[in-house]
Amino acid sequence: VQLVESGGGLVKPGGSLRLSCAASGFPFSNAWMSWVRQAPGKGLEWVGRIKTKTESGTTDYAAPVKGRFTISRDDSKNTLYLQINNLKTEDTAAYYCTTDGGHWGQGTLVTVSS
Amino acid sequence: QSALTQPASVSGSPGQSITISCTGTSSDVGGYNYVSWYQQHPGKAPKLMIYEVSKRPSGVSIRFSGSKSGNTASLTISGLQAEDEADYYCTSYATSVVFGGGTKVTVL
Repeated sequence: VQLVESGGGLVKPGGSLRLSCAASGFPFSNAWMSWVRQAPGKGLEWVGRIKTKTESGTTDYAAPVKGRFTISRDDSKNTLYLQINNLKTEDTAAYYCTTDGGHWGQGTLVTVSS
Repeated sequence: QSALTQPASVSGSPGQSITISCTGTSSDVGGYNYVSWYQQHPGKAPKLMIYEVSKRPSGVSIRFSGSKSGNTASLTISGLQAEDEADYYCTSYATSVVFGGGTKVTVL
C-alpha cells in the first residue's frame, strides 16, 4: 500500500487549495478514505472521509471544517482529493490521507499565513 | 463529537509494562468494537498498532495489546523498549471518527 499526498504549500488567509492523494497497492475503489490533519506540535484531528461509489460516495466531515472542506475521489485515477476554501491560519497543519485499513501517507504541509 | 480522553504522558523503565487509557462515551468507545491505536515517532506518519480494540496488524510486536472495558479502551506495552518512546493516539471509528488527544510515552 502506498499513499502519496501532494498540493500543500504557503497560502494567504482566505485562499483555496486542493490536496491530492495518489493511492496504489490496494483496490482503491473499494476503500473508505479519510483525511486527518496535525497542526504543528499538536495531536491528530480527523477532517473527514468518503465512502465508496457503491455507497454513493457519501462524505462525512468534522464540525470545524464542515462547509469549507470538500472530499472527493476519482476511482479511475486512484486519487483522493481535499478541496479547502476560505483558508484560516488555524488550518495550518500536515494533512494526511488514510485508508480504512489504517495505512497513512507521509503527509503534505499546508501553511496559512499573510 | 468530543475528543477521547488520554493521559498526557506515561513513563516506564525498560522491561516494565505500561498502560495507556482512552476514555470516551457509550456513543463511541463503549458502543462499538471499533477502537484503534497509533504510534507516532517525531516527524513520522502514524503507524497502526491495534485495530478493533485488540487485533494486531501483521508485523506489530506481540508486546502491544489492546482491551476495552465499558467506555474506556486501553493499550498495554509489555517489556518496554527504548524504541517504544513515541506519541500514542487512540481513535474510535464507528459512526464517525474521533481521536484522543495523544499520550507521550517516555522510556526512563
